[in-house]
Amino acid sequence: EVQLVQSGAEVKKPGESLKISCKGSGYSFTSYWIGWVRQMPGKGLEWMGIIYPGDSDTRYSPSFQGQVTISADKSISTAYLQWSSLKASDTAMYYCARTGRDYGMDVWGQGTTVTVSS
Amino acid sequence: EIVMTQSPATLSVSPGERATLSCRASQSVSSNLAWYQQKPGQAPRLLIYGASTRATGIPARFSGSGSGTEFTLTISSLQSEDFAVYYCQQYNNWPPTWTFGQGTKVEIK
Repeated sequence: EVQLVQSGAEVKKPGESLKISCKGSGYSFTSYWIGWVRQMPGKGLEWMGIIYPGDSDTRYSPSFQGQVTISADKSISTAYLQWSSLKASDTAMYYCARTGRDYGMDVWGQGTTVTVSS
Repeated sequence: EIVMTQSPATLSVSPGERATLSCRASQSVSSNLAWYQQKPGQAPRLLIYGASTRATGIPARFSGSGSGTEFTLTISSLQSEDFAVYYCQQYNNWPPTWTFGQGTKVEIK
């Protein structure tokens, strides 16, 4: 079964750093892009960026460029989304999804809730 | 950035009726358009890609049409499990700046 399993919920303070993960299984992790999507409380989906774990080619939405870092460790089939200095406005659910240039996002992780509050 | 606009924001439909959801792109995205379903507390699920191809395991009552800038998702006979929020997404450009519509909530009438 193709699966993406994300790390657990996080509660952080403003200014702290954070790295959340997304582990793939059941398919060739290095052969598919992984994308990240933000969903703020009660709001819609926002496409953040994608990474190709095979060579770490990474692309960002202009809205998120410089705000987050997307990375991957292909040796453990895991992609990451990280912040160096969190803000309250980063409070959201974050999803990873297997992504293809021909079909969008076909397999989704369960989501990671990030809460940033003083 | 390509802006995706969905209408209506909310659609009230009775079970067994047809639902028609619209998605418009600010510029042509060819057929590089996907539809997703999201239920409360769940991750989105891919329904349609390539504007009209059903994803694996998606029932035949879901159909997509359109190309260029105008797209439609039709649910032919709404079942109780279909009440959810539906998003369109364009994945046309490369390097990617893929964008979602703001969503259409399908609620029970």
